Amino acid sequence: EAGVAQSPRYKIIEKRQSVAFWCNPISGHATLYWYQQILGQGPKLLIQFQNNGVVDDSQLPKDRFSAERLKGVDSTLKIQPAKLEDSAVYLCASSLMAYEQYFGPGTRLTVT
Amino acid sequence: AQKITQTQPGMFVQEKEAVTLDCTYDTSDQSYGLFWYKQPSSGEMIFLIYQGSYDEQNATEGRYSLNFQKARKSANLVISASQLGDSAMYFCAMREGSDYKLSFGAGTTVTVRA
Repeated sequence: EAGVAQSPRYKIIEKRQSVAFWCNPISGHATLYWYQQILGQGPKLLIQFQNNGVVDDSQLPKDRFSAERLKGVDSTLKIQPAKLEDSAVYLCASSLMAYEQYFGPGTRLTVT
Repeated sequence: AQKITQTQPGMFVQEKEAVTLDCTYDTSDQSYGLFWYKQPSSGEMIFLIYQGSYDEQNATEGRYSLNFQKARKSANLVISASQLGDSAMYFCAMREGSDYKLSFGAGTTVTVRA
């Protein structure tokens, strides 16, 4: 079974630029999550999708972050414009049920 | 308030010995789940073990066991017979009620010495 795929693995941008991350969940997983993990901290949920609907985006900075999940499969997370404090690893995860989330390898973003 | 507290920022353990990683949690839900994940330096989060709040027995998965003490709200991870490949960051996480999202602790770095 293929795991959660994410791209790119690394990205370096200057502040005020825009960036987009892509995630392909495990086939059949209805729930998809985007987490932000700042260095030295645990992951923090940004947004949760159930199929292509948003379940929870309470911690998503909506003035600069946006996410979509078209057709209930792939998802993209966008930051526009980026700030220095957005430097982090962005993790995508998917789950079939509440029991276990499977994580992708993450995208390491550096904003200079 | 912090939902998950991991008080040990870093630990050293000798190869083949056991190590216990502490985790305490805070919730008012009767139904919840506790998870442990391993994050090597490569960055991926690897699921290790799960304990449901209604599970009467402590969860075990190979060399991993979860010491669940409900009254004390603790869910400590025990890694037995440590291996060099166990060197990584370990995160405790919780799911509450019918919510699927996970709340993570700050993590504990484990370094296994030969």
